Amino acid sequence: KAGVTQTPRYLIKTRGQQVTLSCSPISGHRSVSWYQQTPGQGLQFLFEYFSETQRNKGNFPGRFSGRQFSNSRSEMNVSTLELGDSALYLCASSRAAQGETQYFGPGTRLLVL
Amino acid sequence: AQSVTQPDIHITVSEGASLELRCNYSYGATPYLFWYVQSPGQGLQLLLKYFSGDTLVQGIKGFEAEFKRSQSSFNLRKPSVHWSDAAEYFCAVGVSNAGNMLTFGGGTRLMVKP
Repeated sequence: KAGVTQTPRYLIKTRGQQVTLSCSPISGHRSVSWYQQTPGQGLQFLFEYFSETQRNKGNFPGRFSGRQFSNSRSEMNVSTLELGDSALYLCASSRAAQGETQYFGPGTRLLVL
Repeated sequence: AQSVTQPDIHITVSEGASLELRCNYSYGATPYLFWYVQSPGQGLQLLLKYFSGDTLVQGIKGFEAEFKRSQSSFNLRKPSVHWSDAAEYFCAVGVSNAGNMLTFGGGTRLMVKP
């Protein structure tokens, strides 16, 4: 079974631009979560989607948003990019609504100049 | 809100030596507990997990972890470290009323001396 895939793997943007990252979960998985990883803040939860509905949201500004499609694929969008948004963005999928193991993708590394 | 502490930011061990990475959590009930490993530039790979039952859990690559409720700890151990174990290790906590959201510790970077 294929793992979690994320595209693109690397991205360079400039301040003020917006960016969309994509995540395809493991086949049959209906939950997708997003995390931001930075050297200073570590791994922080952004949001989780299950069956196209956002179930949980971390403590991030409204510039960070996401959505999930009927095939469970998910996208996250960051508008008005700031230098501090440079990070590795990780997507994770799991089968069920809660209490399930999450499997992580390789991440998208975003650099904001 | 739950929190996770990994007291050791860096650990260096000799190849063949034993390893213990510490993890303490703060949460009122019994959480779901995980250990993940991350190699440079990569995503997170699950080593092992604890949901309930036997408090000593076995994982991949010869790792094991023990859940100690009285100490709010979930330490990771390996009897003999291999050079390929050099990576960053993360302990994570999930809770029953928060979907699949995980709270991560700050990570422990493991270096292995030949």
